[in-house]
Amino acid sequence: GQNIDQPTEMTATEGAIVQINCTYQTSGFNGLFWYQQHAGEAPTFLSYNVLDGLEEKGRFSSFLSRSKGYSYLLLKELQMKDSASYLCAVSSGGSYIPTFGRGTSLIVHP
Amino acid sequence: GAVVSQHPSRVICKSGTSVKIECRSLDFQATTMFWYRQFPKKSLMLMATSNEGSKATYEQGVEKDKFLINHASLTLSTLTVTSAHPEDSSFYICSARPASGNEQFFGPGTRLTVL
Repeated sequence: GQNIDQPTEMTATEGAIVQINCTYQTSGFNGLFWYQQHAGEAPTFLSYNVLDGLEEKGRFSSFLSRSKGYSYLLLKELQMKDSASYLCAVSSGGSYIPTFGRGTSLIVHP
Repeated sequence: GAVVSQHPSRVICKSGTSVKIECRSLDFQATTMFWYRQFPKKSLMLMATSNEGSKATYEQGVEKDKFLINHASLTLSTLTVTSAHPEDSSFYICSARPASGNEQFFGPGTRLTVL
């Protein structure tokens, strides 16, 4: 099985930077996903990390350390619309089927 | 980009009836489709994985006779909730994965309410 842990809730100020951490324990790791999900909507893809390091995509960046079983999602220049749940998902084994963490609810306030 | 649709988006039914939810990949062929359910403020729980032309693989604890999954073509999978009960009320989300690549594309979800 897989254990995926991320904070339940975070708050931040508009314009600031926030880092959402995700730790995992798995065997046969082959990738880590980050998804954004607004209330009542389906998740939308943000990033996919396979190798160690930082991948930047606009205001969002994702980091992975496979040896530490650790990833983070970095959101810069926060906007009110970034208020959402951020899901960390880990895939392992030959099926490449990701298992989702409980999600981190991010609240951005003025 | 890849688009996945789900129909209906919202359904209310009486206890004991069956409800069918369709999941379609609109601009790509999906060899694998996934069905999830999500309770309020909880994460997505994988129910089953369906591969085109073969029987679905159900996760532990998911009743295959209650949640019937059919993946008849490379662009369509259906989930039928049979003899629905109020505890089946949930947000059901499908996703589809193309033949190449590991990314999943999610549908908009179906909110099922069983009275």
